[in-house]
Amino acid sequence: EAQVTQNPRYLITVTGKKLTVTCSQNMNHEYMSWYRQDPGLGLRQIYYSMNVEVTDKGDVPEGYKVSRKEKRNFPLILESPSPNQTSLYFCASSSSRTGPSTDTQYFGPGTRLTVL
Amino acid sequence: EDKVVQSPLSLVVHEGDTVTLNCSYEVTNFRSLLWYKQEKKAPTFLFMLTSSGIEKKSGRLSSILDKKELFSILNITATQTGDSAVYLCAVPLKSQGNLIFGKGTKLSVKP
Repeated sequence: EAQVTQNPRYLITVTGKKLTVTCSQNMNHEYMSWYRQDPGLGLRQIYYSMNVEVTDKGDVPEGYKVSRKEKRNFPLILESPSPNQTSLYFCASSSSRTGPSTDTQYFGPGTRLTVL
Repeated sequence: EDKVVQSPLSLVVHEGDTVTLNCSYEVTNFRSLLWYKQEKKAPTFLFMLTSSGIEKKSGRLSSILDKKELFSILNITATQTGDSAVYLCAVPLKSQGNLIFGKGTKLSVKP
């Protein structure tokens, strides 16, 4: 089944403890992206990648890192999480390099992160 | 500053009603506008609009873009309780992979 998977789906952690949220897609998509969703603020893009080894900042990249070493995986790294990073995180992928501007974007199921 | 504004922010209707959701945008180098539906999970794609005046249609949902006035509308006819969701509008920015979303319209359809 074609899908975008994220792990973990739920995570409670403490301030400063490094964590990684994994994202994987099995559709051979060129484009991948991370978003966070907060009440009253909507969906905001954190980072995106239009190709292997190419990543770019979205609107809210501070406090996050990403890497795209292989096409299928796009992990989100929080080196030193803080409570203001408590949020619902979505990974997404799209077939073309230009991603959602020209092609359908498929979202993963979401990861609910709480930082105490 | 690039921005996408949706209205209303929330809407309550009864089954069978017709609703119109609005999305206005201000972005440089416009290419496309996207509509998504989000129920209690991840957003799912509805429409991509690139040309003015050409209606996209899927069942009871339809959408149209006005590039002169910089807005799009999403119409849902004969609403059903299953249409209850948050509807999101998004526009890619100058870097095509960079996407900006509106805050969404929360639609509640009562039986």
